[in-house]
Amino acid sequence: EAGVVQSPRYKIIEKKQPVAFWCNPISGHNTLYWYLQNLGQGPELLIRYENEEAVDDSQLPKDRFSAERLKGVDSTLKIQPAELGDSAVYLCASSLGGEQYFGPGTRLTVT
Amino acid sequence: EDQVTQSPEALRLQEGESSSLNCSYTVSGLRGLFWYRQDPGKGPEFLFTLYSAGEEKEKERLKATLTKKESFLHITAPKPEDSATYLCAAPLSGGYQKVTFGTGTKLQVIP
Repeated sequence: EAGVVQSPRYKIIEKKQPVAFWCNPISGHNTLYWYLQNLGQGPELLIRYENEEAVDDSQLPKDRFSAERLKGVDSTLKIQPAELGDSAVYLCASSLGGEQYFGPGTRLTVT
Repeated sequence: EDQVTQSPEALRLQEGESSSLNCSYTVSGLRGLFWYRQDPGKGPEFLFTLYSAGEEKEKERLKATLTKKESFLHITAPKPEDSATYLCAAPLSGGYQKVTFGTGTKLQVIP
């Protein structure tokens, strides 16, 4: 069974540029998460979807971050414009309501 | 405030030298705890779910235990391939869908 797929794996952009990350969860998993992970820290939740609905986005900086999960499957996380402080690893995870299964992450570097 | 604290931050062991990692939490109405392993450049990999105090689970050289206030990940006779960062995560009020992660323990096993 395929795991959580994320792309791209790495992205380097200049500040003020837009960037988008894509995630394909494990088939059948109705819950999808986007996390941010800084070096030496645990993952921090940005947004959680139950099917198509964003049920927890309290930690998402809505002035520059947006996300969507069309048809309750794939999801895209966007940052516009990116700031230097956005450099981090962006992780996508999915679950059936219990343990979460993570993708490999996208390492974003903003210069 | 719900909080998960892991100790030590880093641990260096000789191959075969057993030890334990600690995860303590202040989550009201704790309903379980998750352990994950994270290798460099990868997303966290699910290891265990512990649902109630007194529960224990084992996988190869790893054994996870849970009390009312903390969890331990015991590593027996570790090998270099056990080197990784070990994260614990506690579900917050409302269900297993939302968790808070600790900052992890970085384990290095030296041959």
